[in-house]
Amino acid sequence: AQKITQTQPGMFVQEKEAVTLDCTYDTSDQSYGLFWYKQPSSGEMIFLIYQGSYDEQNATEGRYSLNFQKARKSANLVISASQLGDSAMYFCAMREKNTGNQFYFGTGTSLTVIP
Amino acid sequence: GAVVSQHPSRVICKSGTSVKIECRSLDFQATTMFWYRQFPKQSLMLMATSNEGSKATYEQGVEKDKFLINHASLTLSTLTVTSAHPEDSSFYICSASLSGHSYEQYFGPGTRLTVT
Repeated sequence: AQKITQTQPGMFVQEKEAVTLDCTYDTSDQSYGLFWYKQPSSGEMIFLIYQGSYDEQNATEGRYSLNFQKARKSANLVISASQLGDSAMYFCAMREKNTGNQFYFGTGTSLTVIP
Repeated sequence: GAVVSQHPSRVICKSGTSVKIECRSLDFQATTMFWYRQFPKQSLMLMATSNEGSKATYEQGVEKDKFLINHASLTLSTLTVTSAHPEDSSFYICSASLSGHSYEQYFGPGTRLTVT
């Protein structure tokens, strides 16, 4: 089974609007971390936000927030007030305590911000 | 955040030659480094996990003899693509991390390899 599932290959959002990128995960581990990365066309991977499995509050980093619903095993990324520079690929990833160092990535969502 | 450098950023080589890609963590000691391969518009495919001082752990389907990984120090890992073929052309990305599930990966800027 896929560890990380991103069901939206592509998304469009109007500039200044909010957008939610979906991510669901599969793990039997109690301790794990969830990450979101942004990859612009230049290819670099940029870390955006982290949510620990024991964190009770949703993580927030500036315009990024993570809607963590543990029972549903979802970790959706919310980008508020979208900007043209937000156009990029977005990857959800997970790291489990029991599997040590390995990161599992989703297939990514291509976000396009429309002026 | 921590800085990871990767060299070269782009390389073109002829079929049959070998290419070495370096990955360095500049401001922290990385207990683990990862090597990924990414095809256009696709996700990152983990090739191998490298721990300092020990042999790399390769993912299923990745040829160990073709993709040689050396992690000689806590700040340097190298990937050598041996006897390169055009199908090895891809974007190779390294990352570095501390051990522990709460630690993020710090990615290098990637190396675009073209084999002619």
